[in-house]
Amino acid sequence: GQSLEQPSEVTAVEGAIVQINCTYQTSGFYGLSWYQQHDGGAPTFLSYNALDGLEETGRFSSFLSRSDSYGYLLLQELQMKDSASYFCALTGGRGSTLGRLYFGRGTQLTVWP
Amino acid sequence: NAGVTQTPKFRVLKTGQSMTLLCAQDMNHEYMYWYRQDPGMGLRLIHYSVGEGTTAKGEVPDGYNVSRLKKQNFLLGLESAAPSQTSVYFCASRQTANTEAFFGQGTRLTVV
Repeated sequence: GQSLEQPSEVTAVEGAIVQINCTYQTSGFYGLSWYQQHDGGAPTFLSYNALDGLEETGRFSSFLSRSDSYGYLLLQELQMKDSASYFCALTGGRGSTLGRLYFGRGTQLTVWP
Repeated sequence: NAGVTQTPKFRVLKTGQSMTLLCAQDMNHEYMYWYRQDPGMGLRLIHYSVGEGTTAKGEVPDGYNVSRLKKQNFLLGLESAAPSQTSVYFCASRQTANTEAFFGQGTRLTVV
């Protein structure tokens, strides 16, 4: 099966840097994705790692280590509008899980002024 | 560009009633997904489809059925609604297994 673990809550102040970790168990997958969801809204795509290493998109970066079954989302220069839930997700890449998109339970980020 | 559209946005059902949620996408995507979201539980996969005419079970399929007769539409059916199916339902679509998923705005369903 597939499972993803991430912290339930993280808090930080404006301008700071925060890292949201995600550990996973899977029998095979295409890559690790990150999504953002504001209260009452739909999830929106942030980043994707198909290969090990760091992907940078503006203030957001994402990292994947397949050997450690671990990834993280790094948010820099935090702004109040970054207060939201962040989900890691992976796509099954083998057999009966092929194409499935699994999500972790989400990390609620609160940014304080 | 409509993207992913869910119908209806809100619904209240009585226990035992049936209903169908419609998800329509205009991006010619192959993959479509139905999720339910409950507080503290994240997004749990109900059913998904990897192409027109195909469907597969996700993590929590019991009590739901789906159909994908046309590539652009993915229907989620509740044959006999139960209070435990009170939730926010999200549909998503994407072109391939390693591209970003686009989500609809959600359907808030209450079963009383």
